[in-house]
Amino acid sequence: EAGVAQSPRYKIIEKRQSVAFWCNPISGHATLYWYQQILGQGPKLLIQFQNNGVVDDSQLPKDRFSAERLKGVDSTLKIQPAKLEDSAVYLCASSWQGRTEAFFGQGTRLTVV
Amino acid sequence: AQSVAQPEDQVNVAEGNPLTVKCTYSVSGNPYLFWYVQYPNRGLQFLLKYITGDNLVKGSYGFEAEFNKSQTSFHLKKPSALVSDSALYFCAVRDMNRDDKIIFGKGTRLHILP
Repeated sequence: EAGVAQSPRYKIIEKRQSVAFWCNPISGHATLYWYQQILGQGPKLLIQFQNNGVVDDSQLPKDRFSAERLKGVDSTLKIQPAKLEDSAVYLCASSWQGRTEAFFGQGTRLTVV
Repeated sequence: AQSVAQPEDQVNVAEGNPLTVKCTYSVSGNPYLFWYVQYPNRGLQFLLKYITGDNLVKGSYGFEAEFNKSQTSFHLKKPSALVSDSALYFCAVRDMNRDDKIIFGKGTRLHILP
C-alpha cells in the first residue's frame, strides 16, 4: 500500500513570496489533515478535510494560508505572502473516515529567508 | 477542548533498561489515544493506539502503552531499550464524542545511551 505522498521535500523562499505544497493521501482515505510543525514543537493542526469539505480550519491563518481538496483526493496548501515565522515542516496526513489513526507523509520543510 | 501534556522534554535511558515516556490527556468524552515516533527529517510514524478494551496495548518495535482512565494517562513503555529507539515521541488524542481532530503533545526526545 502506497503511503501519503508530499512534494516538494524542501523549499526555500524569500519573505513575501508565495509557495504551494501538494499532498496525495492514501487511496480510500476520506479524511485529510495539514499540520504545521515548528522546530521543537509538536504538530499543530491547520486544516482538516472530510472528503472535499472542510471539517476544521480554526487554526489556519486565513489572511495568508489557503487550502483546497478538489474531488476529495489530492490537496494543496498555499501560503501567500510568506513570513519568516512560517518556517516549519508542513505535514500532510490521512485516515479512514476520521475515526482511526492518521498516517503521515514525510513532510515539506519550508525555510523563509 | 482536548489537550495532551508530555511533561518531559527529554528522557535518557541506558541501553537494555526499561523505558517510560509519560503522557497525560484531557478530553470531554472518551478518548482515542495514539503514540507516534519521528526520526530526523522524517514524518511521523504510527506506533500504537488505544480505542477501547484492554488497558495495555502493544504496538510496533516492542513498544506498549498503558491506558489509565482515573489518572488520564497513556504512558509509553518498552521493557528493554535499544540505541535505535532514540527519536522524538509524540502522544496524541482524539475525542470520540466530539470532532475528529487529532491533537498532539509537544514531544519527548528519547535518548538511549549505549
